[in-house]
Amino acid sequence: NAGVMQNPRHLVRRRGQEARLRCSPMKGHSHVYWYRQLPEEGLKFMVYLQKENIIDESGMPKERFSAEFPKEGPSILRIQQVVRGDSAAYFCASSPLDRTYTFGSGTRLTVV
Amino acid sequence: KQEVTQIPAALSVPEGENLVLNCSFTDSAIYNLQWFRQDPGKGLTSLLLIQSSQREQTSGRLNASLDKSSGRSTLYIAASQPGDSATYLCAVRGGVDNNDMRFGAGTRLTVKP
Repeated sequence: NAGVMQNPRHLVRRRGQEARLRCSPMKGHSHVYWYRQLPEEGLKFMVYLQKENIIDESGMPKERFSAEFPKEGPSILRIQQVVRGDSAAYFCASSPLDRTYTFGSGTRLTVV
Repeated sequence: KQEVTQIPAALSVPEGENLVLNCSFTDSAIYNLQWFRQDPGKGLTSLLLIQSSQREQTSGRLNASLDKSSGRSTLYIAASQPGDSATYLCAVRGGVDNNDMRFGAGTRLTVKP
């Protein structure tokens, strides 16, 4: 079991470009959560998804951010028209039904 | 709104010392509390999970306690080692259907050889 896989590990984007972050949950896990960690801050919940459904997106910024977890393939966090303030580490966690979270190693996004 | 605070923000101790990390939360109606370890540039590793009905959990040299009524948890590390150097994060989950796990900003621990 390879654990929660996130890629890329590091992503550099210019202002205005799109960033796509991928998360492959652990085998058998049907729940995916995305968190954002700003420098020197704790992790902030963004969105909770099950296959083909967004369950809770209360932590997602209203504009430019979207997430999906298709029937096949990884979960994708998409940030359109990135700005410098989007620079952060983005972590994905997955869980089975009992909601014991396992985190991936994160994607570090730098907007230049 | 749940607020999670961790004190101190940073801690440096010599090898072999016992130490305590503190976590406080403002809303005592929690589902569980979890302590994580984060190494620089890495993801989170779960250390201990305490359900709201429990008072403490132990794993090796680690012991975590929970006092819901006072909104506090402590992580006790016995006989600290340089390999324990990392950031320790406390996270609180508000309810069985609450998907918003609230994290503290962490305590950055350095254990000097």
